[in-house]
Amino acid sequence: EAQVTQNPRYLITVTGKKLTVTCSQNMNHEYMSWYRQDPGLGLRQIYYSMNVEVTDKGDVPEGYKVSRKEKRNFPLILESPSPNQTSLYFCASSSYRGPGNQPQHFGDGTRLSIL
Amino acid sequence: QKEVEQNSGPLSVPEGAIASLNCTYSDRGSQSFFWYRQYSGKSPELIMSIYSNGDKEDGRFTAQLNKASQYVSLLIRDSQPSDSATYLCAVTNNAGNMLTFGGGTRLMVKP
Repeated sequence: EAQVTQNPRYLITVTGKKLTVTCSQNMNHEYMSWYRQDPGLGLRQIYYSMNVEVTDKGDVPEGYKVSRKEKRNFPLILESPSPNQTSLYFCASSSYRGPGNQPQHFGDGTRLSIL
Repeated sequence: QKEVEQNSGPLSVPEGAIASLNCTYSDRGSQSFFWYRQYSGKSPELIMSIYSNGDKEDGRFTAQLNKASQYVSLLIRDSQPSDSATYLCAVTNNAGNMLTFGGGTRLMVKP
Protein backbone atom coordinates (compact mmCIF):
# COMPACT_ATOMS: atom_id res chain seq x y z
CA GLU A 1 0.00 0.00 0.00
CA ALA A 2 1.34 3.41 -1.00
CA GLN A 3 1.80 5.50 2.09
CA VAL A 4 3.65 8.21 3.95
CA THR A 5 4.40 7.17 7.52
CA GLN A 6 5.11 9.63 10.30
CA ASN A 7 6.27 8.85 13.82
CA PRO A 8 5.40 9.57 16.51
CA ARG A 9 1.75 10.46 16.01
CA TYR A 10 1.61 12.31 19.31
CA LEU A 11 4.34 13.76 21.49
CA ILE A 12 4.35 15.90 24.59
CA THR A 13 7.77 17.21 25.55
CA VAL A 14 9.49 20.09 27.28
CA THR A 15 11.26 23.18 26.04
CA GLY A 16 14.82 22.60 24.89
CA LYS A 17 14.74 18.82 24.62
CA LYS A 18 15.82 17.84 21.11
CA LEU A 19 13.35 15.78 19.16
CA THR A 20 13.05 14.17 15.75
CA VAL A 21 9.89 13.39 13.83
CA THR A 22 10.47 10.72 11.23
CA CYS A 23 8.84 10.53 7.82
CA SER A 24 9.12 7.66 5.40
CA GLN A 25 7.46 7.03 2.02
CA ASN A 26 7.32 3.83 -0.02
CA MET A 27 6.41 5.33 -3.39
CA ASN A 28 9.94 6.15 -4.58
CA HIS A 29 9.00 9.83 -4.65
CA GLU A 30 11.70 12.40 -5.24
CA TYR A 31 9.89 15.33 -3.60
CA MET A 32 9.19 15.44 0.13
CA SER A 33 8.01 18.28 2.33
CA TRP A 34 7.10 19.22 5.89
CA TYR A 35 4.19 21.44 6.87
CA ARG A 36 2.82 22.70 10.12
CA GLN A 37 -0.85 23.43 10.63
CA ASP A 38 -2.16 25.93 13.15
CA PRO A 39 -5.79 27.00 13.63
CA GLY A 40 -6.86 29.54 11.03
CA LEU A 41 -3.48 29.53 9.29
CA GLY A 42 -3.84 26.53 7.03
CA LEU A 43 -0.69 24.55 6.30
CA ARG A 44 2.59 26.37 6.15
CA GLN A 45 5.61 24.83 4.47
CA ILE A 46 8.65 24.37 6.69
CA TYR A 47 11.19 22.66 4.43
CA TYR A 48 11.12 20.68 1.25
CA SER A 49 13.47 18.39 -0.64
CA MET A 50 13.57 17.87 -4.37
CA ASN A 51 15.81 14.80 -4.08
CA VAL A 52 18.50 13.13 -1.98
CA GLU A 53 20.89 15.67 -0.43
CA VAL A 54 18.83 18.59 -1.81
CA THR A 55 16.81 20.56 0.73
CA ASP A 56 15.36 24.08 0.73
CA LYS A 57 13.61 26.37 3.15
CA GLY A 58 9.90 26.87 2.99
CA ASP A 59 7.98 29.76 4.46
CA VAL A 60 8.59 29.01 8.16
CA PRO A 61 11.98 27.25 8.57
CA GLU A 62 13.14 28.95 11.75
CA GLY A 63 13.82 26.50 14.57
CA TYR A 64 13.75 23.42 12.34
CA LYS A 65 16.30 21.28 10.53
CA VAL A 66 15.88 18.51 7.99
CA SER A 67 18.06 16.00 6.21
CA ARG A 68 17.60 13.83 3.14
CA LYS A 69 20.25 11.12 3.17
CA GLU A 70 17.99 8.51 1.60
CA LYS A 71 15.19 8.89 -0.87
CA ARG A 72 12.53 7.36 1.32
CA ASN A 73 13.24 9.28 4.56
CA PHE A 74 12.92 12.95 5.44
CA PRO A 75 13.18 13.54 9.20
CA LEU A 76 12.24 16.83 10.84
CA ILE A 77 14.53 17.87 13.68
CA LEU A 78 13.77 20.37 16.42
CA GLU A 79 17.11 21.02 18.09
CA SER A 80 15.73 23.17 20.89
CA PRO A 81 11.94 23.08 20.81
CA SER A 82 9.96 26.00 22.12
CA PRO A 83 6.25 26.34 22.98
CA ASN A 84 5.55 28.26 19.75
CA GLN A 85 6.39 25.07 17.85
CA THR A 86 3.39 23.34 19.38
CA SER A 87 1.43 22.39 16.29
CA LEU A 88 0.15 19.65 14.01
CA TYR A 89 2.85 18.55 11.56
CA PHE A 90 2.37 16.85 8.22
CA CYS A 91 4.89 15.21 5.97
CA ALA A 92 4.05 14.89 2.27
CA SER A 93 5.61 13.44 -0.84
CA SER A 94 5.07 13.58 -4.58
CA SER A 95 6.85 12.36 -7.68
CA TYR A 96 9.81 14.14 -9.17
CA ARG A 97 8.10 17.17 -10.60
CA GLY A 98 6.96 18.31 -7.18
CA PRO A 99 3.60 19.63 -5.99
CA GLY A 100 3.09 21.82 -9.05
CA ASN A 101 2.48 18.87 -11.29
CA GLN A 102 1.72 15.90 -9.11
CA PRO A 103 -0.63 15.46 -6.16
CA GLN A 104 0.96 15.29 -2.76
CA HIS A 105 0.44 12.29 -0.54
CA PHE A 106 0.20 13.29 3.10
CA GLY A 107 1.08 11.36 6.21
CA ASP A 108 -1.40 11.07 9.06
CA GLY A 109 0.15 13.93 10.99
CA THR A 110 2.11 14.34 14.21
CA ARG A 111 0.68 16.40 17.04
CA LEU A 112 3.46 18.02 19.03
CA SER A 113 2.94 19.76 22.35
CA ILE A 114 5.93 21.58 23.81
CA LEU A 115 5.55 22.71 27.40
CA GLN B 1 5.07 37.26 1.34
CA LYS B 2 2.87 35.10 -0.83
CA GLU B 3 -0.72 34.98 0.42
CA VAL B 4 -3.69 32.78 -0.21
CA GLU B 5 -6.92 34.02 1.31
CA GLN B 6 -10.09 32.14 2.08
CA ASN B 7 -13.17 32.95 4.11
CA SER B 8 -12.92 30.78 7.22
CA GLY B 9 -16.65 30.17 7.38
CA PRO B 10 -18.43 28.14 8.45
CA LEU B 11 -20.36 28.01 5.21
CA SER B 12 -23.63 26.25 5.86
CA VAL B 13 -25.68 24.81 3.00
CA PRO B 14 -28.65 22.44 2.96
CA GLU B 15 -28.26 18.96 1.55
CA GLY B 16 -28.65 18.94 -2.23
CA ALA B 17 -27.65 22.58 -2.66
CA ILE B 18 -24.59 24.00 -4.42
CA ALA B 19 -21.71 24.99 -2.15
CA SER B 20 -19.46 27.73 -3.49
CA LEU B 21 -15.99 28.15 -2.02
CA ASN B 22 -13.68 30.99 -2.96
CA CYS B 23 -9.98 31.73 -2.80
CA THR B 24 -7.76 34.64 -3.84
CA TYR B 25 -3.98 34.61 -4.17
CA SER B 26 -1.35 37.31 -4.34
CA ASP B 27 1.47 35.78 -6.41
CA ARG B 28 0.85 36.50 -10.10
CA GLY B 29 3.54 33.96 -11.01
CA SER B 30 1.55 31.08 -9.54
CA GLN B 31 1.14 28.23 -11.98
CA SER B 32 -0.86 25.49 -10.34
CA PHE B 33 -3.94 25.57 -8.15
CA PHE B 34 -5.45 22.93 -5.94
CA TRP B 35 -8.34 22.21 -3.66
CA TYR B 36 -7.76 19.85 -0.75
CA ARG B 37 -10.41 18.49 1.57
CA GLN B 38 -9.58 17.88 5.21
CA TYR B 39 -11.85 16.08 7.61
CA SER B 40 -11.43 16.88 11.28
CA GLY B 41 -8.37 15.13 12.68
CA LYS B 42 -7.31 13.78 9.28
CA SER B 43 -4.72 14.68 6.69
CA PRO B 44 -5.57 16.74 3.59
CA GLU B 45 -6.60 14.90 0.45
CA LEU B 46 -6.49 16.34 -3.04
CA ILE B 47 -9.89 16.69 -4.72
CA MET B 48 -9.22 19.06 -7.63
CA SER B 49 -6.32 20.56 -9.52
CA ILE B 50 -6.51 23.27 -12.18
CA TYR B 51 -3.75 24.82 -14.25
CA SER B 52 -5.40 27.05 -16.87
CA ASN B 53 -8.14 29.64 -16.92
CA GLY B 54 -11.68 28.39 -17.09
CA ASP B 55 -13.63 25.56 -15.55
CA LYS B 56 -12.67 22.00 -14.78
CA GLU B 57 -15.31 19.49 -13.79
CA ASP B 58 -14.91 16.18 -12.00
CA GLY B 59 -18.10 14.54 -10.86
CA ARG B 60 -19.92 16.86 -8.45
CA PHE B 61 -16.91 19.17 -8.23
CA THR B 62 -16.08 22.10 -10.51
CA ALA B 63 -12.96 24.19 -10.10
CA GLN B 64 -12.83 27.64 -11.69
CA LEU B 65 -9.69 29.67 -12.28
CA ASN B 66 -9.35 33.31 -13.29
CA LYS B 67 -5.68 34.28 -13.35
CA ALA B 68 -6.38 37.90 -14.30
CA SER B 69 -8.43 38.33 -11.14
CA GLN B 70 -6.19 35.95 -9.15
CA TYR B 71 -9.21 34.00 -8.11
CA VAL B 72 -9.95 30.30 -7.73
CA SER B 73 -13.25 28.77 -6.75
CA LEU B 74 -14.72 25.36 -6.05
CA LEU B 75 -18.34 24.46 -6.63
CA ILE B 76 -19.82 21.36 -5.05
CA ARG B 77 -23.12 20.35 -6.61
CA ASP B 78 -25.72 18.24 -4.83
CA SER B 79 -23.93 18.74 -1.53
CA GLN B 80 -24.03 15.81 0.87
CA PRO B 81 -23.50 15.70 4.64
CA SER B 82 -20.32 13.70 3.91
CA ASP B 83 -18.95 16.81 2.17
CA SER B 84 -18.82 18.55 5.55
CA ALA B 85 -15.13 19.28 6.01
CA THR B 86 -12.57 22.06 5.74
CA TYR B 87 -11.58 22.91 2.18
CA LEU B 88 -8.06 24.19 1.63
CA CYS B 89 -7.04 26.19 -1.40
CA ALA B 90 -3.37 25.73 -2.34
CA VAL B 91 -1.23 27.53 -4.89
CA THR B 92 2.27 26.80 -6.15
CA ASN B 93 5.00 29.29 -6.86
CA ASN B 94 6.29 29.91 -10.37
CA ALA B 95 8.85 27.11 -10.12
CA GLY B 96 6.23 24.66 -8.92
CA ASN B 97 8.32 23.49 -5.98
CA MET B 98 6.56 25.26 -3.13
CA LEU B 99 2.94 25.14 -2.08
CA THR B 100 1.13 27.89 -0.17
CA PHE B 101 -2.16 27.05 1.51
CA GLY B 102 -5.03 29.27 2.49
CA GLY B 103 -6.47 29.07 5.98
CA GLY B 104 -9.35 26.90 4.81
CA THR B 105 -13.13 27.24 4.67
CA ARG B 106 -15.23 25.04 6.91
CA LEU B 107 -18.24 23.69 5.04
CA MET B 108 -21.26 22.30 6.86
CA VAL B 109 -23.92 20.47 4.87
CA LYS B 110 -27.11 20.08 6.85
CA PRO B 111 -29.49 17.16 6.18
